[in-house]
Amino acid sequence: EDKVVQSPLSLVVHEGDTVTLNCSYEVTNFRSLLWYKQEKKAPTFLFMLTSSGIEKKSGRLSSILDKKELSSILNITATQTGDSAIYLCAVATGDMRFGAGTRLTVKP
Amino acid sequence: NAGVTQTPKFRVLKTGQSMTLLCAQDMNHEYMYWYRQDPGMGLRLIHYSVGEGTTAKGEVPDGYNVSRLKKQNFLLGLESAAPSQTSVYFCASSYVGSHNEQFFGPGTRLTVL
Repeated sequence: EDKVVQSPLSLVVHEGDTVTLNCSYEVTNFRSLLWYKQEKKAPTFLFMLTSSGIEKKSGRLSSILDKKELSSILNITATQTGDSAIYLCAVATGDMRFGAGTRLTVKP
Repeated sequence: NAGVTQTPKFRVLKTGQSMTLLCAQDMNHEYMYWYRQDPGMGLRLIHYSVGEGTTAKGEVPDGYNVSRLKKQNFLLGLESAAPSQTSVYFCASSYVGSHNEQFFGPGTRLTVL
C-alpha cells in the first residue's frame, strides 16, 4: 500500500529560526512529489519535485528530493509568523497520496 | 477567473439523508479530484476524473459516487450519509497529468448527525 509519512507532526519555533520539514514515501509508480501550504482553508502549491538532487527555491523556502532515500525536505529560513500553517507533502502515483502534514507555529 | 469553487460551504445532514456537493472550475483543466480531510489524517483521495465522462476510485471511495458530465463540473454524491462522513471536503483540479500541481477549492464542511 502506498504510504507518505511526514515528520515532525508539529513544531513550534520563534521568528528568525530555520526549520526543516521531512517527508518520506513508499509508493509504486512514483511520478512527482509536491509540497503545499495550508493556512485556514485550501492548500496552496509550493513546489513540485521530480528529479533527485535539484533544489527548488522560492524566497526563504527551498526543497529537495532524494529518490535514493525516498524522501524530501522542505527548508524555511528566517521564519516569520506568516509561515505558521500546516505543510503538506503529496506524492503523485497513478493518483495522489498526501501525508498527514506538519503543523508549524512561529511565535513572535 | 474564479478558479475552483465549491457549493455549499457548510452543510448539516442527518444520518441516512443524501446530498450532492458541486465543484466547478474555470481553468479548462482536464483532471478533477475530490478529497476529504480529517484531523491528523491529511487529505485522502475519494474519487477523481481524468476527463469529461470518466471517473475513477481513489483511496477512500466507499459511500460516495461522482459524476463528470461537463468538463468544468465534478459532482460528489452521498446517497445515505453516515456520521463517519463528517469531514471537510476539498475539490481540486489540474492540467493534464495527475502528477502536476493541483488547484484547490475553499472546501465544504459537512457534519452528519
